[in-house]
Amino acid sequence: NAGVTQTPKFQVLKTGQSMTLQCAQDMNHNSMYWYRQDPGMGLRLIYYSASEGTTDKGEVPNGYNVSRLNKREFSLRLESAAPSQTSVYFCASSDRGQGKAQAFFGQGTRLTVV
Amino acid sequence: GDSVTQMEGPVTLSEEAFLTINCTYTATGYPSLFWYVQYPGEGLQLLLKATKADDKGSNKGFEATYRKETTSFHLEKGSVQVSDSAVYFCALTLTTDSWGKLQFGAGTQVVVTP
Repeated sequence: NAGVTQTPKFQVLKTGQSMTLQCAQDMNHNSMYWYRQDPGMGLRLIYYSASEGTTDKGEVPNGYNVSRLNKREFSLRLESAAPSQTSVYFCASSDRGQGKAQAFFGQGTRLTVV
Repeated sequence: GDSVTQMEGPVTLSEEAFLTINCTYTATGYPSLFWYVQYPGEGLQLLLKATKADDKGSNKGFEATYRKETTSFHLEKGSVQVSDSAVYFCALTLTTDSWGKLQFGAGTQVVVTP
């Protein structure tokens, strides 16, 4: 059981380049999320998708776009990368209901923008 | 807005020492509270949780009690091991539909030496 799978694991971009981070989950979860992790700031929510076909902004959405491709996949796109987007990016998924109070995280993508 | 404050690290301990990591929160409603742990090079995984006041979450020897009167959810372990070296995140959510829509603290790095 793979859980949440992110690709790539590492990436170096030049300022102004674009790229898409991929995320897939095999737990049939309704909700998926993208976070960024920066030193001393914990994880901050970029975008989330409460269910297939919907997406909403989180705390730090500027400079990013997302696509919920189907129930399994949720991608994050940087259209024009900036050094301020150097970070570790985590995808997560979760189910609904009181007995399912947990998020499952991928292993992360370490992105450096030079 | 909603926020989580946890003690800064790193916290350095000897094996078998007692560990406490303080976590306090501000929230407009009645949040569910979590501790997530991140081992080196990995994503986050749920350590324990409490979804209502006075609940105690416990797992792997760790405990935390949801204290509404002090808006706190302090993490404790009586005897730490080297394998407990990790970064610990306190987090809250106000929604039961999207358990991964979390507000995180900054994280506390714990280093346990033999």
